[in-house]
Parts: sequence; structure tokens; C-alpha cells
Amino acid sequence: DTAVSQTPKYLVTQMGNDKSIKCEQNLGHDTMYWYKQDSKKFLKIMFSYNNKELIINETVPNRFSPKSPDKAHLNLHINSLELGDSAVYFCASSQAAGSYNEQFFGPGTRLTVL
Amino acid sequence: GQNIDQPTEMTATEGAIVQINCTYQTSGFNGLFWYQQHAGEAPTFLSYNVLDGLEEKGRFSSFLSRSKGYSYLLLKELQMKDSASYLCAVKSRLAFGKGNQVVVIP
Repeated sequence: DTAVSQTPKYLVTQMGNDKSIKCEQNLGHDTMYWYKQDSKKFLKIMFSYNNKELIINETVPNRFSPKSPDKAHLNLHINSLELGDSAVYFCASSQAAGSYNEQFFGPGTRLTVL
Repeated sequence: GQNIDQPTEMTATEGAIVQINCTYQTSGFNGLFWYQQHAGEAPTFLSYNVLDGLEEKGRFSSFLSRSKGYSYLLLKELQMKDSASYLCAVKSRLAFGKGNQVVVIP
């Protein structure tokens, strides 16, 4: 069974389009995250949700909007895509935000904006 | 704010020992993670340090000095499968370093 899954795995789209990436975890975790890893392999946190509530919102353009319908899902919607949005986006989950708990990462979504 | 620094790449032979360093500056510290990331794959958890000292887990050990803002990951008896990028992350705001690419050669 896949612990943290993301769809799609690859996404190629034109500038200006709107796209969504879905994430689901079946680990019963309370906290979910979105990270962006650019071509230089720098992994940056974008958002974190705990029990469907936003707890971390780093400096991310407001074209990016996370949505958490329930604590097992955290989707990422991106409006008006730009070339600089090309990266690998990782979803992750952990048992709780306030303790040490390790994060489990999804397989990543490689987004290419043309 | 936070600043995390790691050297970028190193090459070592099978069976060798490598040490990967991570220095950080952060306002508010409550733990440091090490993750392993193989090319094209997701990061996977290796270790977590919150107190000073060495934590050993099989061939991998991680050390932390909070006063120096310094951690290292020690990989012993290197195997080819250890070729990967190793990322350190400070927990307070989940900031990751750029990662250190380790290449293991026969």
C-alpha cells in the first residue's frame, strides 16, 4: 500500500494555465506538507496543514492555493503558471506538527511549464 | 530567519567512511533531521537529533552540537546504494539544506 501518493507524477503545461496536484496519505497522520524542489535540488517548504488547518505558509505567490478537504488530503492548485514554477513538488505527511515525527514523502510531481 | 549550509558533492570508494557536515543558523531550534534522497526519488528519513551528541543507527550515525549550530552524518562501510543526496533539515520551520551529493565508486 502506498503511504503518501501524488497525482499526476508528471505534468507538462503551457504558461498561463491553471493546474492542480493531488496528494493523499493513508497513514492516519494529522499533518501534511507541500515542498518545492528546484533544479538545484533545494527543497523548500511551501505549506503545512494540521487537521485541515493551515499552520505554515511560507513566502509563496498567492497563485498557489492549498486545499485540504480532510486531513488525509492536501491538494495544491496553481493559477497562471509561470516558467519559474517548473520544479518537482513533493507532498509529505507526519503524525503531528508539534513533535519530532519524521515526515513521509510522496513520490513527487515533476511540473514542466513551457 | 534560517540559514543552512552543506557542501555540495563528494566521492568515496566502497567500504570507506564519509562525513557529511551541516551548519545552521536559526531563531528557535527544536531538532534536526537527516534525509536521504536518491536521484529522481523522494527523500526518506534517516535520523533525528534534538540533544547534543551522537545517535547511532547501524551504518549511519548523526551528531549534533546545538551551541555550534553544527551537525554531521557519518556513513560507514559505504555501499554503492548509498550514492544519493543527503539533506539536513532544521525542524523549527522545516528548512532544508541544499543537500550533499555522495557518489560511491567501486
